[in-house]
Amino acid sequence: AQKVTQAQTEISVVEKEDVTLDCVYETRDTTYYLFWYKQPPSGELVFLIRRNSFDEQNEISGRYSWNFQKSTSSFNFTITASQVVDSAVYFCALMDTGRRALTFGSGTRLQVQP
Amino acid sequence: NAGVTQTPKFRILKIGQSMTLQCTQDMNHNYMYWYRQDPGMGLKLIYYSVGAGITDKGEVPNGYNVSRSTTEDFPLRLELAAPSQTSVYFCASSYPTGMEAETQYFGPGTRLLVL
Repeated sequence: AQKVTQAQTEISVVEKEDVTLDCVYETRDTTYYLFWYKQPPSGELVFLIRRNSFDEQNEISGRYSWNFQKSTSSFNFTITASQVVDSAVYFCALMDTGRRALTFGSGTRLQVQP
Repeated sequence: NAGVTQTPKFRILKIGQSMTLQCTQDMNHNYMYWYRQDPGMGLKLIYYSVGAGITDKGEVPNGYNVSRSTTEDFPLRLELAAPSQTSVYFCASSYPTGMEAETQYFGPGTRLLVL
């Protein structure tokens, strides 16, 4: 069975602080995809990044960066110089190669205070 | 492209009533999904479809039915609404190959309240 754990339920930071959101996953698949989605207060789900299991390179996109470590089954997400607009719930998700469906973590609510 | 659209945005049902949640995508994706999100939780898979005429159950299918007669549409049917089905329902679609392979794009969600 697949499982995604986001142990941080809620994080509060002050604007311009860096913050890391943790994600640990479990799977028996050798090929899989990992995702991060953002859910702002308006409720929609916004795709942030997709990473396949063969690509362990870290990725940076503006203020966002992702650290994928297969050895520890982790796919952590860092926001540098956080802004109030980053306030949202962030979900980590794992895709199984059979159904191609997502298993979501329970999410981390990030509050960025001005 | 409109992407994934869902109707209605919000609905209140009485216990025992039925309704259909509509989902349409215009990206020619062959994979489509229904998830539900309970308050403070992640999303759970209800049903999915790998193409027209093919559907299968996810983790929480009880109380729901689906059909997929076209590539574009994937409606979700609630036959006898129960308070436990109060949730936000998200439809998503994806394509298994290409530059954006496997990325699921979500609709805006339907908020359902069963009283």
